[in-house]
Amino acid sequence: EIVLTQSPGTLSLSPGERATLSCRASQSVNSNYLAWYQQIPGQAPRLLIYATSSRATGIPDRFSGSGSGTDFTLTISRLEPEDFVVYYCQQYGSSPLTFGGGTKVEIK
Amino acid sequence: EVQLVESGGVVIQPGGSLRLSCAASGFIFDDYTMYWVRQAPGKGLEWVSFISWDGGSTYYADSVKGRFTISRDNIKNSLYLQMDSLRTEDTALYYCAKAIEFYDFWSASDYWGQGTLVTVSS
Repeated sequence: EIVLTQSPGTLSLSPGERATLSCRASQSVNSNYLAWYQQIPGQAPRLLIYATSSRATGIPDRFSGSGSGTDFTLTISRLEPEDFVVYYCQQYGSSPLTFGGGTKVEIK
Repeated sequence: EVQLVESGGVVIQPGGSLRLSCAASGFIFDDYTMYWVRQAPGKGLEWVSFISWDGGSTYYADSVKGRFTISRDNIKNSLYLQMDSLRTEDTALYYCAKAIEFYDFWSASDYWGQGTLVTVSS
């Protein structure tokens, strides 16, 4: 099983700042099949990024993904008020599919 | 518009059985792999199971293997999760989700339902 470790657990930033979220895998992710989801409290997850760096439909270009192998990053270039929620990474290249523990982005 | 609507969640005693359903609309259901993902109260996301577009291949998390069975009815555009031998640790909000790419076994999920709550408690 591929274990995904997200860091930091909580990221305290101000609106307009750049956010860098990390997702580290315990072994290489097949075909770089790594996705990022955003979850607003009380709502279902929303797909932001898939295949490491492809933005899902309707996702603003301030969200970008990068990485390969075992190290992946979600970058939010300029934080908007609605971005202060929880983010999860997921690998879907092998079974069992796994999620990271999440990073909460909070207002500083 | 893609819609996924889960149903079937209830309060149930340990050891009991339950079947969750997910009604899909707005896309060609039998072109896509479908997923069940759960989230325990206040916790993160946990993948449970997925089934290929034709129902020919299924995968399960170790935590549910042998107790849960995923299936689909491509005529009724519906996804199911049969849950047997339920445990208190199965308490969670259960989401169904759709693969982003058609005919793709390994895929991220671009649409999610709002979830149905299963509570296992005596």
